Amino acid sequence: GAGVSQSPRYKVAKRGQDVALRCDPISGHVSLFWYQQALGQGPEFLTYFQNEAQLDKSGLPSDRFFAERPEGSVSTLKIQRTQKEDSAVYLCASSSTRAGLQVQETQYFGPGTRLLVL
Amino acid sequence: SQQGEEDPQALSIQEGENATMNCSYKTSINNLQWYRQNSGRGLVHLILIRSNEREKHSGRLRVTLDTSKKSSSLLITASRAADTASYFCATSRAGKSTFGDGTTLTVKP
Repeated sequence: GAGVSQSPRYKVAKRGQDVALRCDPISGHVSLFWYQQALGQGPEFLTYFQNEAQLDKSGLPSDRFFAERPEGSVSTLKIQRTQKEDSAVYLCASSSTRAGLQVQETQYFGPGTRLLVL
Repeated sequence: SQQGEEDPQALSIQEGENATMNCSYKTSINNLQWYRQNSGRGLVHLILIRSNEREKHSGRLRVTLDTSKKSSSLLITASRAADTASYFCATSRAGKSTFGDGTTLTVKP
């Protein structure tokens, strides 16, 4: 079946512009995660959802970052007033089980959205 | 700050040789996972080892976990040029996965 998809794959924004990044998880997956990956580094956790509930947003770097998953499937990560330091790859992942369980299942990652803020 | 740290940062070997990458972490975990990332692509899950397991195999991959030392290793046997990628370990606790900065593996044909 289809994996996790993300759009757009590439986004160039001018500093101060708002951007919206979309994630389509694997159908039926309960948990959805967003990560930020800077060049040459590992992904850093931003936030995660269980169905439509945002259970942890401790990794969001500032109040310019906002994520939603209103119907428990597609999610959008919005960055307002983008800054140069927001340039990174934004990865979305989904999992079939509820995060936090002792036997947490595999997270399946999308290809990412590469954001460049000029 | 990152929970996991991979070692070495970069590794270059000849095709057919074995590659060993290590990961250290700081706090208690539920499980530890290894991922692979080809340049410009998303992460691909390789193997998950639970905190009560010591060793796990999957094809040419062998993962060990030592919770007393808070470390894990990934061994790729009989490497191929197609194994060239970055490899990350990730620890999970309270629903959150924390990644290291990865080991970049280059396998020369």
